[in-house]
Amino acid sequence: AQTVTQSQPEMSVQEAETVTLSCTYDTSESNYYLFWYKQPPSRQMILVIRQEAYKQQNATENRFSVNFQKAAKSFSLKISDSQLGDTAMYFCALNFGNEKLTFGTGTRLTIIP
Amino acid sequence: GAGVSQSPRYKVAKRGQDVALRCDPISGHVSLFWYQQALGQGPEFLTYFQNEAQLDKSGLPSDRFFAERPEGSVSTLKIQRTQQEDSAVYLCASSLWLREGSPLHFGNGTRLTVT
Repeated sequence: AQTVTQSQPEMSVQEAETVTLSCTYDTSESNYYLFWYKQPPSRQMILVIRQEAYKQQNATENRFSVNFQKAAKSFSLKISDSQLGDTAMYFCALNFGNEKLTFGTGTRLTIIP
Repeated sequence: GAGVSQSPRYKVAKRGQDVALRCDPISGHVSLFWYQQALGQGPEFLTYFQNEAQLDKSGLPSDRFFAERPEGSVSTLKIQRTQQEDSAVYLCASSLWLREGSPLHFGNGTRLTVT
């Protein structure tokens, strides 16, 4: 079985600052995929960033980047120059094989103006 | 359509009633997933379709839950004899590719409240 753990239920940060959200996971698979999804109050899950486990280079998408530590099974998300629109629930997720995603319990991020 | 569409957006049912939740995926998307998201939790997998074939229903919590996708496009999640523990947001997602690691595109979900 695979598990995803997010140990920070809530975080807040001043606008324009940098914030890092933590995620650890467990899987016996050697090739898998990791994701960060954002869920605003509209409830729609929006893909933020995706990482392939066999790629050592950390994925980046504009202000969003990850620190992927495969040996430690850690996958943290860094948001630079945070904006009010970044306020949302953030979910870390893992999948392999038939695309079934396993999600963590989420981190509620609030950007303070 | 432009995105995954789910209806209704909100549903209130009395305990014991049957409900049907609809998902209209992005046109051409082969894979379709249903997830259940309890309040304050992450989404939990329910079932998965590839075209009209239901390949995995291991996450359905009981035989009161049934999903179908008869023509490989629109899908319906049916819950019979609803119970209070069924109250949750039901999310539908679709993806274009068949290979692993394909990003999922989610709808806005249906919030089901059982009274």
